[in-house]
Amino acid sequence: GAGVSQSPSNKVTEKGKDVELRCDPISGHTALYWYRQSLGQGLEFLIYFQGNSAPDKSGLPSDRFSAERTGGSVSTLTIQRTQQEDSAVYLCASSPYGGGQETQYFGPGTRLLVL
Amino acid sequence: GQSLEQPSEVTAVEGAIVQINCTYQTSGFYGLSWYQQHDGGAPTFLSYNALDGLEETGRFSSFLSRSDSYGYLLLQELQMKDSASYFCAVNSGNTPLVFGKGTRLSVIA
Repeated sequence: GAGVSQSPSNKVTEKGKDVELRCDPISGHTALYWYRQSLGQGLEFLIYFQGNSAPDKSGLPSDRFSAERTGGSVSTLTIQRTQQEDSAVYLCASSPYGGGQETQYFGPGTRLLVL
Repeated sequence: GQSLEQPSEVTAVEGAIVQINCTYQTSGFYGLSWYQQHDGGAPTFLSYNALDGLEETGRFSSFLSRSDSYGYLLLQELQMKDSASYFCAVNSGNTPLVFGKGTRLSVIA
């Protein structure tokens, strides 16, 4: 079946603009994760959705970042008033149930450049 | 807090064996995962250790010692295509995995 897809693949924006990044998880996966990866760095956890539970937002770096997941499927990560330090690859992953021992399946990422 | 330490870079010769170490300090521990990421690509799952000992999957093996808070990924019969970044990640019971900063493996002829 289809894997995790993300759009756009690349996004260039001007400082101060808002951006929306989209993630389509694997069909049937109840858990969805957003990570940020700066150049040459590890994966920084941002937010986690599991079924109908309240999302774990503990990794969001500031209140400019928000995410929603509609109908338990597609998720959108929104960054308001973008700053140059927001430039990074934003990765989305999904897993069947959300247990920590589960394999996470990653999408190809959205490369965001804030000028 | 939670932290993972792994070497930033490793270089090894094609056909050889390489070991990538990972030490961790976490408030809880359920298991250690390894992911591979090629340049410009998405991370892909390699292995998961919940119990002490060695798990083998083809050319790749992963080891865990819970008492030492230590694990490693062992790659045998290295191939050029193994050049990538390798991340260890801890399942601490709080579902979001905590990832290390990654080890960049360069395989040379």
